[in-house]
Amino acid sequence: SQKIEQNSEALNIQEGKTATLTCNYTNYSPAYLQWYRQDPGRGPVFLLLIRENEKEKRKERLKVTFDTTLKQSLFHITASQPADSATYLCAPQKSNTGKLIFGQGTTLQVKP
Amino acid sequence: EAGVTQFPSHSVIEKGQTVTLRCDPISGHDNLYWYRRVMGKEIKFLLHFVKESKQDESGMPNNRFLAERTGGTYSTLKVQPAELEDSGVYFCASSLDRGPGNTIYFGEGSWLTVV
Repeated sequence: SQKIEQNSEALNIQEGKTATLTCNYTNYSPAYLQWYRQDPGRGPVFLLLIRENEKEKRKERLKVTFDTTLKQSLFHITASQPADSATYLCAPQKSNTGKLIFGQGTTLQVKP
Repeated sequence: EAGVTQFPSHSVIEKGQTVTLRCDPISGHDNLYWYRRVMGKEIKFLLHFVKESKQDESGMPNNRFLAERTGGTYSTLKVQPAELEDSGVYFCASSLDRGPGNTIYFGEGSWLTVV
């Protein structure tokens, strides 16, 4: 069955460092991969989308990579700030549906 | 512009009772989705409306759940009768276009506790 794996352990880093979050998927061939941010008690908020034919996508301090051979996406936040503390969700998406399949999310804690 | 709004934000009901959750998508968004997250699990897809039609309802857990979108505007998700395992947060989302690769906007969720 389809499986999306994100680090279940919380990631704690120091302010100013780069945070790297991993999303691995198995038994799945997504055409797109979306990343969302979720704060406690709130709904997910869209951050970035990357297509299967794109190796890398950037938006301000965010960078996403998509390796269809490794079946993995990496999500980077450079110059991290305490305000970046949240849970980050990856959601691969097939080409023929709007449905998102979510991972469990990785909680990031940026310490000042 | 208003985002996706959901009502109620929190609901506590007894096992066997009925609850109806409402979602108002972003104006003009034909695509409306329901997702839910139960304790300790990932967010899971329930169903997808395109206007008033059910495009994909493969995630609906059982026939105690009924989703409607009469008129293609707001949607309701009814749980009848509610069971303990239905507790969780129910998210509604909407998007302008149907296909993948489109930004999907989520509401803040309706938190359901069945006791």
